[in-house]
Amino acid sequence: EVQLVQSGAEVKKPGESLKISCKGSGYSFTSYWIGWVRQMPGKGLEWMGIIYPGDSDTRYSPSFQGQVTISADKSISTAYLQWSSLKASDTAMYYCASLLEWGDYNWFDPWGQGTLVTVSS
Amino acid sequence: SSELTQDPAVSVALGQTVRITCQGDSLRSYYASWYQQKPGQAPVLVIYGKNNRPSGIPDRFSGSSSGNTASLTITGAQAEDEADYYCNSRDSSGNRNWVFGGGTKLTVL
Repeated sequence: EVQLVQSGAEVKKPGESLKISCKGSGYSFTSYWIGWVRQMPGKGLEWMGIIYPGDSDTRYSPSFQGQVTISADKSISTAYLQWSSLKASDTAMYYCASLLEWGDYNWFDPWGQGTLVTVSS
Repeated sequence: SSELTQDPAVSVALGQTVRITCQGDSLRSYYASWYQQKPGQAPVLVIYGKNNRPSGIPDRFSGSSSGNTASLTITGAQAEDEADYYCNSRDSSGNRNWVFGGGTKLTVL
């Protein structure tokens, strides 16, 4: 079964650093891009960026460039999303999802279960 | 343009047909994919490409596209279809960026 399993919920203070993870299994992790998506409380989905674990080629949404760092460790089939200094406005659910592409078709499937990040003093 | 526009809310009577639309310039170049999200759950892919359903998605879900508009149609809506629906497309800027629509809250009456 192809699946992405994310790390557990985090509660952090403003200014702290954080790295959350997304572990793939059941497929060739290095062959497919992994995307990250933010969902703030009561809001919609926002695309943050994407990484190709095979060579760590990474692209960011302009809205998130410089705000987060996306990385991957292909030896353990895991992608990461990290912050160096959290803000209260980073409070959200974060999802990872695998990108599949075929010609003009592209879609995200499967998705991880989500990691809730709460930033509060 | 890197925006996809959806109606915030749509309602449908049980058993009737509903269409959820998504507009954006990128849809002239790329097909949309559609995701269903129920409260407290991760999004689930329901339609991708021209009109493709992943395994396990009922055939009452279908997709279509014309010009800058993509549509998700549910034929014979069921109570369990009540959810938020998001469209997604690759950005037509040429960069490897993607964009989501703002989401449509579907209520089944």
